[in-house]
This record gives sequence, structure tokens and C-alpha cells, in this order.
Amino acid sequence: QQQVKQSPQSLIVQKGGISIINCAYENTAFDYFPWYQQFPGKGPALLIAIRPDVSEKKEGRFTISFNKSAKQFSLHIMDSQPGDSATYFCAASSNSNYQLIWGAGTKLIIKP
Amino acid sequence: ETGVTQSPTHLIKTRGQQVTLRCSSQSGHNTVSWYQQALGQGPQFIFQYYREEENGRGNFPPRFSGLQFPNYSSELNVNALELDDSALYLCASSLDGVTDTQYFGPGTRLTVL
Repeated sequence: QQQVKQSPQSLIVQKGGISIINCAYENTAFDYFPWYQQFPGKGPALLIAIRPDVSEKKEGRFTISFNKSAKQFSLHIMDSQPGDSATYFCAASSNSNYQLIWGAGTKLIIKP
Repeated sequence: ETGVTQSPTHLIKTRGQQVTLRCSSQSGHNTVSWYQQALGQGPQFIFQYYREEENGRGNFPPRFSGLQFPNYSSELNVNALELDDSALYLCASSLDGVTDTQYFGPGTRLTVL
């Protein structure tokens, strides 16, 4: 029940296209859902995060869509650029707990 | 405002040895969490320290231990190193206890031979 399942494992998108990464969770106590971006040899960097009281959050080219009833959330990257090539992780946590539960990651490659 | 820093960047140890990794939290942050990230996987929570007290622990054996100092910097100690301990060790700081937003350092790459 603590797991966060992320798909796909890898994704190749043409420059200018839309990249979509999906995550699903079981624990209904989760109330915070961040997405992290990680480049090789670096620590994860917070990209965007959402709480269950909204169904969508947009920051620049990055959008999180959240479906509370389906217990799913997804990251959309619009107008994908080669510089977006990285590994993306979804995660979840609850305010009564102290740890982030992470998905397995999606390696995104944007082809020029 | 300085970000989260970790030292050393890379480390090579042999099986059975002990290692200490260090983390300086972001200015103003009093909570530090440690994660282990094996190659090609997501980070796994080791433990968290809040105001110098352990605030929670993941599924790691007791040979993984930690400290947080009055300036909120932190150490991760691993005794009796095993080959499977080879990983990127990440430190993340946050503002207050169970506050969600965690900011990560660049990590320490530990190789156990």
C-alpha cells in the first residue's frame, strides 16, 4: 500500500512533442505528490508538486494532472526540448509521515 | 541562500570497512532526510532527523546510523560495509519536521569493493 507505480520505464519523444509520465498509488493518506527531475550524477531537483485539493497544476511547460478517485497523477511536458532529457521521478507522502515514497523513475530522451 | 551540500563527492571503500558521509542543510532548514539510490532505481528512505532527533526510519539495518548537529548539519554512518551498499547517497533538507518539500544535495557516490 506504500508503493507508487510509475510508467513508462523509458520514453523517447521528438523535440516539440508532449511527454507524458504516469504514476499510480494505493495509500489514500497520501496528500502531497511531487515530481523530481534528475540528471546523471546529480541529486533530484523538485520540478512541480500538487496536493489533492486541485486536479491540475501548471508551471511553464510542466503540468501535473491529478485524479483522486482513480488514485493516479501524471506529468505532462509540453514542447519537449533536448534539455529536458533526464530521469523523472514521481513521489508521494502524507502529512502524518516523514518519508517520500518514490516511483521507479522514467528515463526521458528528447530527440532533436 | 546556500543549497544542500554533501561531502565527499565520491568514495571507494572495501567490504567490512566503515564510512561517514556528511551533509549541510539548506540555510534555515532544521530537518534532514537521507536516501539510498541504487543505480537505475528511485531513492529509498533511510531515516530523517528533526532538530537533532531521529524522526523516522526506513527499512535499513542498524549498521546504518546517523547524527544531526546543533547547526542542523548531519552525518550518515555505515558500518560493516557490504557490496550492496554501493549506491548514491542523497541528503535532503526541509523546513520543519514533516514539511513535504525536500531539497536534495548532489549526493555521495559510494563504491564498495
